[in-house]
Parts: sequence; structure tokens; C-alpha cells
Amino acid sequence: DGGITQSPKYLFRKEGQNVTLSCEQNLNHDAMYWYRQDPGQGLRLIYYSQIVNDFQKGDIAEGYSVSREKKESFPLTVTSAQKNPTAFYLCASRQSLNQPQHFGDGTRLSIL
Amino acid sequence: QKEVEQNSGPLSVPEGAIASLNCTYSDRGSQSFFWYRQYSGKSPELIMFIYSNGDKEDGRFTAQLNKASQYVSLLIRDSQPSDSATYLCAVNMANDYKLSFGAGTTVTVRA
Repeated sequence: DGGITQSPKYLFRKEGQNVTLSCEQNLNHDAMYWYRQDPGQGLRLIYYSQIVNDFQKGDIAEGYSVSREKKESFPLTVTSAQKNPTAFYLCASRQSLNQPQHFGDGTRLSIL
Repeated sequence: QKEVEQNSGPLSVPEGAIASLNCTYSDRGSQSFFWYRQYSGKSPELIMFIYSNGDKEDGRFTAQLNKASQYVSLLIRDSQPSDSATYLCAVNMANDYKLSFGAGTTVTVRA
């Protein structure tokens, strides 16, 4: 089945630790996105990538980093600089401009 | 002014009624419009998209777009308890790979 796979489903971070969230898609979509959602809030864009080896900061990029070495993969690293990382992280992809975005099932990150 | 604004909820409707959700956007050049449904604790799922002025129907859902007035709405006919969720409006600004999302409207369908 084609889709977007995020892993892990739940993740716990210790103080001072970097953690990486995985996002893989087999939809052959060019563009990929990372969002953060806090309880009762809307989606906030962290980073997005239109093509391989290129990505742009979204509205809340501080404390996060990404890479796009392959079309299928867009991992997000939550660094120790992100002081309040507890949230629901959503990865999305879309085929091209003006097409819908499709979402993975999300990763819940908490601080230990 | 926020780029995309949705009517504040929560919206409570009786089973079988019509739920009406509204969304306004600021960029007059916006080209594509999407409605997502998000159940509590789950990721958003696409339910409708619309590109042209007018109505688009899909089952019990109707999306309405009025570019001159810069609003897009979603009607849910014959509302069911399973429609209870948060509905997100998303707008693709002109020539932009980003989608701008509204904060969402929570709908509760009373049995």
C-alpha cells in the first residue's frame, strides 16, 4: 500500500538529548513537510522540502533540523536546543503544487 | 490578520442536522482549498478539496468556494456522531508550496 510511514509512534527524550523522527513515503511525492501540533492547537510548520537536497524553514524551525537525501525520506531531528519539545509531530507529503497534502500517523514526543 | 481563519467552535449540532463550517483567507491569489478532518489523537485526513468557485459535493459533504469574498465553507448534511471531530481548513497561497492551516473548528454531533 502507498502511504506515509512515521516512526516511532511514541518517543521519549531525556534532557540534553537529540532525537530523530523518521518519515518515509512511497507515493513518489516531491514535497514533504513537518508540522508540530500542541494539544488543542492547530498545525505549525517546522520545515518543508520541495525537492531532494533542498529544504526551507517554516514558522518554528528553531531547535529542529532536517535532511532530504532521498526523495522518500525526510527525517526530523529535535535538538537539545528545543526546550519544549513535547508535542504531536506530523509528517506530510504532496505530489505537486496545489495538490492535497497527505499525512502520516504522527509521532508523540515527550520529555522524560 | 491571520492568513486563514475559521469560525470559532465548538459547534454542537443534533444528529441528522446540517453542520456549517466557515473559513476565510487573506491572500486573494490563493489557488486551492482543502478540508481535513482530525479525530482526537489522530492525524488529519483529507475529506474535500476545491479549486473553482461554486459548490463541490461528495456524499454528505459539500465544499463551497467564493474567491471574490475570499471564503470557503464546508457543509455536512445528515450529521452523524462519527462526524464529531476537528475540521481544518487549509489554503494554498499563490505559487507557494506551503499550505496555510486554520486553527480548526471542533464539531460535536449530539445523538
